[in-house]
Amino acid sequence: DTGVSQDPRHKITKRGQNVTFRCDPISEHNRLYWYRQTLGQGPEFLTYFQNEAQLEKSRLLSDRFSAERPKGSFSTLEIQRTEQGDSAMYLCASSRDSPYGYTFGSGTRLTVV
Amino acid sequence: EDQVTQSPEALRLQEGESSSLNCSYTVSGLRGLFWYRQDPGKGPEFLFTLYSAGEEKEKERLKATLTKKESFLHITAPKPEDSATYLCAVQAQAGTALIFGKGTTLSVSS
Repeated sequence: DTGVSQDPRHKITKRGQNVTFRCDPISEHNRLYWYRQTLGQGPEFLTYFQNEAQLEKSRLLSDRFSAERPKGSFSTLEIQRTEQGDSAMYLCASSRDSPYGYTFGSGTRLTVV
Repeated sequence: EDQVTQSPEALRLQEGESSSLNCSYTVSGLRGLFWYRQDPGKGPEFLFTLYSAGEEKEKERLKATLTKKESFLHITAPKPEDSATYLCAVQAQAGTALIFGKGTTLSVSS
């Protein structure tokens, strides 16, 4: 059990560019979550996968955001046409079936300039 | 609307000075209440899950309690290494997402 891994740790991009983040969950965890956290705020839910199926999406997940989890393993989160308001820490978490607590990764910090 | 409010926003303690952090919540049927610790630049680290009023859990200098409206995280004789942001979150019966508060930033000086 090596924990939840996220890559990259930091990303600086110019406004309008596309970015993609990767998350590798704990291997035996079938549930995977993406959250976004801005400075001074708690994490906010973006989307949730059970195995390869995306079962829930927040209204925060605009049409510029897309997430995938092929074969129920790793997941990617892509942001198209980035805006300065997208600057945040993007956190991935995984869990077994509820009601177990999540295990979070260290996050990807995105800065849009 | 499901909501979590944490207080105080920031807390400064001297080493050994015990105190409590508060998490007030409103949720349509509580499945679980979670406490996490977050260090700067890192993801939240799981501490406790509480499921029903009256439940208590302990880990080293931390003790979490739960009532029908709020949870407390008691810190006994804190050390500088306890300095971090402590996040509270709830999960509703009907949902999968955790709803987080803004956190309490604890600073412990020696």
